[in-house]
Amino acid sequence: DVKVTQSSRYLVKRTGEKVFLECVQDMDHENMFWYRQDPGLGLRLIYFSYDVKMKEKGDIPEGYSVSREKKERFSLILESASTNQTSMYLCASRKTGGPETQYFGPGTRLLVL
Amino acid sequence: DAKTTQPTSMDCAEGRAANLPCNHSTISGNEYVYWYRQIHSQGPQYIIHGLKNNETNEMASLIITEDRKSSTLILPHATLRDTAVYYCIYLSGANNLFFGTGTRLTVIP
Repeated sequence: DVKVTQSSRYLVKRTGEKVFLECVQDMDHENMFWYRQDPGLGLRLIYFSYDVKMKEKGDIPEGYSVSREKKERFSLILESASTNQTSMYLCASRKTGGPETQYFGPGTRLLVL
Repeated sequence: DAKTTQPTSMDCAEGRAANLPCNHSTISGNEYVYWYRQIHSQGPQYIIHGLKNNETNEMASLIITEDRKSSTLILPHATLRDTAVYYCIYLSGANNLFFGTGTRLTVIP
């Protein structure tokens, strides 16, 4: 089974703090994604990466950056956390080629005070 | 974003089959239909996908109409642990999945 893990299930940070969310997958998938999920808005793509050191902006990249130094790890960085970044953050991975099945981690619920 | 239409909510008695419909009238010939579910406060879980033929795995069956404009996810013997929001999705030229609001399935004891 594909396993995608995220570093924290729950996180509380203060406005202006730098926040790191880590995601690791163990299936040698080339593609990795960061989404945020908010009530009534569904999942929105923040960034994705299709290879090591490669990154592409999703629909809502503002206020976020990412890092992919190793194939299995994809980090989401909030440079200066703000209250409107309070959300559920979901990481996913997918193998290149074939169906577009994405496998998700358990999510990190971030509260910015 | 590729749009699908699903009922907002459904109930199903425990042990009975749950049939969750989805309309995807704008799907094109080479786009797969995917089903995911999300149990409260967890990440989405992949269930099944299909292109043209009906599919079955250990979790569910997927019935796709011949014109591919709609599909039905079938959970053959629903349990309380199947209570979740179920999403029907397909991609349309994008690299991300548009989940929409899904169907909230409640399995009733």
